[in-house]
Amino acid sequence: GNSVTQMEGPVTLSEEAFLTINCTYTATGYPSLFWYVQYPGEGLQLLLKATKADDKGSNKGFEATYRKETTSFHLEKGSVQVSDSAVYFCALKNSNTGKLIFGQGTTLQVKP
Amino acid sequence: SAVISQKPSRDICQRGTSLTIQCQVDSQVTMMFWYRQQPGQSLTLIATANQGSEATYESGFVIDKFPISRPNLTFSTLTVSNMSPEDSSIYLCSVTLINVEGYNEQFFGPGTRLTVL
Repeated sequence: GNSVTQMEGPVTLSEEAFLTINCTYTATGYPSLFWYVQYPGEGLQLLLKATKADDKGSNKGFEATYRKETTSFHLEKGSVQVSDSAVYFCALKNSNTGKLIFGQGTTLQVKP
Repeated sequence: SAVISQKPSRDICQRGTSLTIQCQVDSQVTMMFWYRQQPGQSLTLIATANQGSEATYESGFVIDKFPISRPNLTFSTLTVSNMSPEDSSIYLCSVTLINVEGYNEQFFGPGTRLTVL
């Protein structure tokens, strides 16, 4: 079946550090891949997405590349800020059902 | 984009009681989704609620426990029935809309944090 696995958190970084949050997936067909972010007290927001192999999604300095050969969609940011502190969810959309399947979420805490 | 509101934002309930969560969207949408996010866990789809038809439940979720109403294209309710502490979760409403780039995007409400004692 389809599934998403994220690195366990929490991840604690100092401001301006480099961020990587690993995400790997298992899927049949050709899923679309997403990163969602949940800031404290708010709902989930779409951060970025990629719809096919080798696509790179980017937004707010975050990037992730759809790697079919390694079934991965790792989230990266070159220099994190305190305001990036949130929970990050990797997800795939099943191409057959259109349903979103989420990873378990990774909490990022950025300290000044 | 879509603005989605949920009521209540949080509640503390006694076991054996029921709670109805409301979801209001500022756009007309065909499909609405209800998710559960248990403490420290991922989001799990409970059901898909289409206007004018019965909700479709995912494996492990049943209508008697989680009855859903969808009276119109902007509103839905999810009831958590006969609650137990295991039902303590965040419940999220979600919709799919065409975004400004012309793609289908899934939007989420702020969630309802439920604690069952």
